Amino acid sequence: NAGVTQTPKFQVLKTGQSMTLQCAQDMNHNSMYWYRQDPGMGLRLIYYSASEGTTDKGEVPNGYNVSRLNKREFSLRLESAAPSQTSVYFCASLPLGLATDTQYFGPGTRLTVL
Amino acid sequence: ELKVEQNPLFLSMQEGKNYTIYCNYSTTSDRLYWYRQDPGKSLESLFVLLSNGAVKQEGRLMASLDTKARLSTLHITAAVHDLSATYFCAVVETSGSRLTFGEGTQLTVNP
Repeated sequence: NAGVTQTPKFQVLKTGQSMTLQCAQDMNHNSMYWYRQDPGMGLRLIYYSASEGTTDKGEVPNGYNVSRLNKREFSLRLESAAPSQTSVYFCASLPLGLATDTQYFGPGTRLTVL
Repeated sequence: ELKVEQNPLFLSMQEGKNYTIYCNYSTTSDRLYWYRQDPGKSLESLFVLLSNGAVKQEGRLMASLDTKARLSTLHITAAVHDLSATYFCAVVETSGSRLTFGEGTQLTVNP
């Protein structure tokens, strides 16, 4: 079991470039999430997918799009990167959403936008 | 809108001492989580607290939940250097499914 994997681990973009962050989980989890973490702040939810085929906005969705490609994969796209999107991005997954479940986090993608 | 506040945000303590981190939240909640994050690493789940009065313990860490006060505490007993990390609480609103995180408490345990 690899758990939650993210690619790439590091990325540097120029303002206006686009890119897609990939996330995959091999635990057969239903829900998947994208967060960003900025210095001195907790994680903020960008988008989430409660189940395959559905996606919803989180707290900070502007400038991002997502695709739940299948049950395993949930990608995050930056169409036109801005310096304000410099951050560490974490993907997470959740089993069934039972009260006792907890989210499993990937290792993160460190993105710098110049 | 659910708000989650932790204090202190920075905590420097000596090995062997005890201390408590506080997590306040603004609306009723189904669940509260505590996570640990080491520098440059991902988040690791520590505890899930589901009901009023819930208490969970793992080693030198003990977490409790008071839903009436909308308060959770993470108590550290006889701190050791290995506990140095950032600790986050995260809350799920009643009937919700999204986690809202606190700002994190950066703990440094000095020898």
